[in-house]
Amino acid sequence: NAGVTQTPKFQVLKTGQSMTLQCAQDMNHEYMSWYRQDPGMGLRLIHYSVGAGITDQGEVPNGYNVSRSTTEDFPLRLLSAAPSQTSVYFCASSYGQGSDEQYFGPGTRLTVT
Amino acid sequence: GIQVEQSPPDLILQEGANSTLRCNFSDSVNNLQWFHQNPWGQLINLFYIPSGTKQNGRLSATTVATERYSLLYISSSQTTDSGVYFCAVDLLYNQGGKLIFGQGTELSVKP
Repeated sequence: NAGVTQTPKFQVLKTGQSMTLQCAQDMNHEYMSWYRQDPGMGLRLIHYSVGAGITDQGEVPNGYNVSRSTTEDFPLRLLSAAPSQTSVYFCASSYGQGSDEQYFGPGTRLTVT
Repeated sequence: GIQVEQSPPDLILQEGANSTLRCNFSDSVNNLQWFHQNPWGQLINLFYIPSGTKQNGRLSATTVATERYSLLYISSSQTTDSGVYFCAVDLLYNQGGKLIFGQGTELSVKP
């Protein structure tokens, strides 16, 4: 199993550009989520999904969109990037609820200039 | 909202020393997890521990849910233990399960 994979590993955007961060898992996990990690602030939940076709907002959802068309994939879209979105983004998955053991991807380091 | 506080914020150890990291949380939780983020940024799940004590090699964790804290013990520390240790909680009344992370303890183990 590859576990949780994320692409790209690094990305630089200009303000106003859009992009999609990819996340995939091959463990047949129902629950997937996106976090951002900023210095001194730990990880904060952006969006999560409890299964295909179902998504919901986390703690810091503004500026991000998600969809879940398959069990395996959970992309995160930035429609109009802002410097405040400079961060490291982690995707995670678990078998059932978010309270189950979480498996994290390697992260995407995003810089918005 | 719920508060998750970790202490100490940073810690420097000599190789071979023992340490205890603490996580306090302000509300009832379904679950608590400990993670290690290595110097390359990878997050690894160490323990899934809603209550009681678990051990994995040189690491062990204890959660006392009624008193709203958890402890992570590292014995005979090694340089590879360096990194940031996070605790994360899942709220008892939460629908769908959302992990709330503490701010982490940054550990540096010197040879």
